Amino acid sequence: DSGVTQTPKHLITATGQRVTLRCSPRSGDLSVYWYQQSLDQGLQFLIQYYNGEERAKGNILERFSAQQFPDLHSELNLSSLELGDSALYFCASSAFMNNEQFFGPGTRLTVL
Amino acid sequence: GESVGLHLPTLSVQEGDNSIINCAYSNSASDYFIWYKQESGKGPQFIIDIRSNMDKRQGQRVTVLLNKTVKHLSLQIAATQPGDSAVYFCAENSNDYKLSFGAGTTVTVRA
Repeated sequence: DSGVTQTPKHLITATGQRVTLRCSPRSGDLSVYWYQQSLDQGLQFLIQYYNGEERAKGNILERFSAQQFPDLHSELNLSSLELGDSALYFCASSAFMNNEQFFGPGTRLTVL
Repeated sequence: GESVGLHLPTLSVQEGDNSIINCAYSNSASDYFIWYKQESGKGPQFIIDIRSNMDKRQGQRVTVLLNKTVKHLSLQIAATQPGDSAVYFCAENSNDYKLSFGAGTTVTVRA
């Protein structure tokens, strides 16, 4: 158990819908990272927050957005969902930046 | 461009033997490298890391070697056990704090 929690574990929805994935980092960690893992793309970095502020952006679509709240938990919002958005979404946290990242168990999103 | 890759997508190893998983990277600015293990249905799990000012680091049954000259990283697992069966990813981190992952090597341990 990494100490990072993610909810929900599974999510099934339809195209065009919007969903919110939630992540609670390890106690004391200030950085939160979001990754997408699909079969054909591997693990792709989406976005990073540090102490509430966006710090780095990867291959995140404009339909996706995220935020980190004052209590340091983070949410990833996915809108206008497409079939290709079906993937595992992982959250990771680290104490600071450029540190060992601890991954949560992931949310499996299925878009039908 | 930046890329991190593993030389082989699969590796089959006899229980008790040593495993070597290789990774090549192309970003000369990378200064931090990590190996992760991902078991089926779980998130990536940290195994070992190494910073660019080192060329070798040892953990429990694992050793990471870094050759900056040829931009090559390897993970050695000693006395491989059935529980080592998983997908192994190398990842590199440069000053922009983004982790770039390789495609992964699936390790299967034969009893």
